[in-house]
Amino acid sequence: EAQVTQNPRYLITVTGKKLTVTCSQNMNHEYMSWYRQDPGLGLRQIYYSMNVEVTDKGDVPEGYKVSRKEKRNFPLILESPSPNQTSLYFCASTPLLAGGENEQFFGPGTRLTVL
Amino acid sequence: GIQVEQSPPDLILQEGANSTLRCNFSDSVNNLQWFHQNPWGQLINLFYIPSGTKQNGRLSATTVATERYSLLYISSSQTTDSGVYFCAVEERAGGFKTIFGAGTRLFVKA
Repeated sequence: EAQVTQNPRYLITVTGKKLTVTCSQNMNHEYMSWYRQDPGLGLRQIYYSMNVEVTDKGDVPEGYKVSRKEKRNFPLILESPSPNQTSLYFCASTPLLAGGENEQFFGPGTRLTVL
Repeated sequence: GIQVEQSPPDLILQEGANSTLRCNFSDSVNNLQWFHQNPWGQLINLFYIPSGTKQNGRLSATTVATERYSLLYISSSQTTDSGVYFCAVEERAGGFKTIFGAGTRLFVKA
């Protein structure tokens, strides 16, 4: 089954304790992206990657890191989480088809609480 | 950067009613998608529609790229249509950044 998976689905942590949220897709998509969703603000893009070793900032990259060492994986790293990073996080992947329908497919989300 | 505005912000419908949701964007875009976020938080692709009209069952969408808006039509609404509807655009000038609107929250009453 074609899918985007995220782990963990729920996480409660404390300020300053480094954490990683994993994202993996099995569709051989070139493009992957991370978003955070906060009430009333919709989804805001944190980082995106157009291929292996190619990453770029979205609208809200501060406090986050990403890496793209393999095509299928795109982990999100919070080196020193703070309470304002409490949010619902989504990973997405998209094929980059010239002239094609480049739909984004979303993972199930990770609900993070930073105390 | 590009601005994406959705209206109305909230909508309450009686089951069986029709509705139109609107998405305005402030600049040219590479693509546009509509999503439904169900009450469990799952984001479901509805339409990939940078231009033109598409239909899928009771739902249809139209994007008029030259006038910078898209419409999502829901006909004969059902309680399972409840949730939040988002449009998202990919900036043409900003590489491959994606910008979401704030969403339209729909509640369909039985």
